[in-house]
Amino acid sequence: GAVVSQHPSWVICKSGTSVKIECRSLDFQATTMFWYRQFPKQSLMLMATSNEGSKATYEQGVEKDKFLINHASLTLSTLTVTSAHPEDSSFYICSAPSTGTGYNEQFFGPGTRLTVL
Amino acid sequence: GNSVTQMEGPVTLSEEAFLTINCTYTATGYPSLFWYVQYPGEGLQLLLKATKADDKGSNKGFEATYRKETTSFHLEKGSVQVSDSAVYFCALLNSGYSTLTFGKGTMLLVSP
Repeated sequence: GAVVSQHPSWVICKSGTSVKIECRSLDFQATTMFWYRQFPKQSLMLMATSNEGSKATYEQGVEKDKFLINHASLTLSTLTVTSAHPEDSSFYICSAPSTGTGYNEQFFGPGTRLTVL
Repeated sequence: GNSVTQMEGPVTLSEEAFLTINCTYTATGYPSLFWYVQYPGEGLQLLLKATKADDKGSNKGFEATYRKETTSFHLEKGSVQVSDSAVYFCALLNSGYSTLTFGKGTMLLVSP
């Protein structure tokens, strides 16, 4: 099946620094990717939809200047958490729908654990 | 709006026990329903899906039936294995939308 990777799998950073998380579709192209955030014992909350070649679409309440998304190619989307603070600590997951299956099947990355000290 | 409610975990079972994880939903229109599984250290994987009322999704011994009258999509397995230990997420995709709405997830722990 289609594979989505994320890098890094975990990161620890100091408050005030920026962190970049990569999401790659390894064996298929994705014009759209989704970024989720998951708190402990909480459901996945959609943060934004990443669109190749155009601006990302952010969900209500998500600061676009805080969470910068760049979909530079058909296989790569990046999420940059700018000026990170401890409240940004979370598990970030990306997903991509596989071409030919429509939006009825999405493939998820393994997630990135961010800890801000 | 759309929402998915799952039973809270963890669900702790012995090997070969019967499993039920309850899932109910609220949505307008006619959503598609999904169960995803997340094994430790891995991403979410689609376990099964159903796209219309009375459909039954099945995979790896797991089953779930789309019940419109009770707005439910309960996950069942007749005999669980230790390797089934994971977190299970119920989700819906409303027609005309491209984004999934997830439940909070239910952790399943199966002991030998």
